Amino acid sequence: QSALTQPASVSGSPGQSITISCTGTSSDVGGYNYVSWYQQHTGKAPKLMIYDVRNRPSGVSNRFSGSKSGNTASLTISELQAEDEADYYCSSYTSSTTLVVFGTGTKVTVL
Amino acid sequence: EVQLVESGGALVQPGGSLRLSCAASGFNFNTYSMNWVRQAPGKGLEWISYISSSSSSIYYADSVRGRFTISRDSAKNSLYLQLNSLRVEDTAVYYCARELSRIATAPYQFDYWGQGTLVTVSS
Repeated sequence: QSALTQPASVSGSPGQSITISCTGTSSDVGGYNYVSWYQQHTGKAPKLMIYDVRNRPSGVSNRFSGSKSGNTASLTISELQAEDEADYYCSSYTSSTTLVVFGTGTKVTVL
Repeated sequence: EVQLVESGGALVQPGGSLRLSCAASGFNFNTYSMNWVRQAPGKGLEWISYISSSSSSIYYADSVRGRFTISRDSAKNSLYLQLNSLRVEDTAVYYCARELSRIATAPYQFDYWGQGTLVTVSS
């Protein structure tokens, strides 16, 4: 089972919106709504930002939103802030023996 | 407040063994499935093992099946990972992570993570 494909880096200026894509297959992203997104600041543990494709856990800013179309999921960060600079990983349940597959990770830079 | 605190990471030689622990607090540990996820230095995340709340369902990634063993002790609110036959490629920070849904019967999504414990496999 290969990792889900994410762009290596995405950047934006404060106040702008950016979108991170996460491409898989019909065996993972396209086949299940168990798609989640995690934010990881350098040297820190991952933090759940989006679950079930588009739901935000309590306490997560509504500037973060998730969506899915076919085999590609997306995370949009609106009104970009300096504190959003981090690595972001998507993940999905998969029908393969791997069970859970993560994305390759995207480094978000706030210019 | 939900807290997960891992311990047990160390430098070990190839072929060696290690036992990681994760102490849970701030929630009813007995009602949640738990997972181990690892991250090699400078690399991405890799799910490696899941255990249901009752320990009746256990799953492993192909990369560790047969070498690693997950377990839990409800009386101690603790999760464990026994690592045997360690390889250089097992070098990583190991995180314990709580399963989001209490009705999950397999690993899906992880809502709380510990700070991680570093395992280094090297001669």
